[in-house]
Amino acid sequence: RKEVEQDPGPFNVPEGATVAFNCTYSNSASQSFFWYRQDCRKEPKLLMSVYSSGNEDGRFTAQLNRASQYISLLIRDSKLSDSATYLCVVPGDSGAGSYQLTFGKGTKLSVIP
Amino acid sequence: GAVVSQHPSRVICKSGTSVKIECRSLDFQATTMFWYRQFPKQSLMLMATSNEGSKATYEQGVEKDKFLINHASLTLSTLTVTSAHPEDSSFYICSAQTGENYGYTFGSGTRLTVV
Repeated sequence: RKEVEQDPGPFNVPEGATVAFNCTYSNSASQSFFWYRQDCRKEPKLLMSVYSSGNEDGRFTAQLNRASQYISLLIRDSKLSDSATYLCVVPGDSGAGSYQLTFGKGTKLSVIP
Repeated sequence: GAVVSQHPSRVICKSGTSVKIECRSLDFQATTMFWYRQFPKQSLMLMATSNEGSKATYEQGVEKDKFLINHASLTLSTLTVTSAHPEDSSFYICSAQTGENYGYTFGSGTRLTVV
């Protein structure tokens, strides 16, 4: 299994729709997970952190299933501005208290008027 | 919040020349800086991890003599692409861990085009 694997997309959804992205990870020791958003030709920006079973922030909900090594991101009431690539990110131990990030390839979302 | 300033944001250079990319941490000390590369429609791939005052750790397949990393201070890390070739054209981005609980901040990235 690849370290971090995501739905390839692209997802083309109408405004107001609910869309869900999935991500699986291979390192069973991972404790925390992130969803980042990356706009075209820009740096990734943190969207949500997931430390326990899940996290909710407004229209965004992230869920974690440790047994299945599976993370999901749910976006409700999609807005045009949600169009971006969503990256599933898993930290790994680089040693000496630092942690490198392993990125999934990302799932592209296009919200259509 | 913590900011990592990266420049240049865009650079075009001729084959065979060298390009230096700088990342500065503003208002915090970056003991560790991560350097990533992203080709079009691909994921960010870690190239190397730089630690202040010591040699960088390179990922497998990344040539340390081609991608020189210097992290001489707690607020500055540089990546120099030496003898650049067109296949080095990519989006280079740095990231620093800003604290506990895996807090990270990314630079704004450098788009390198080698002609």
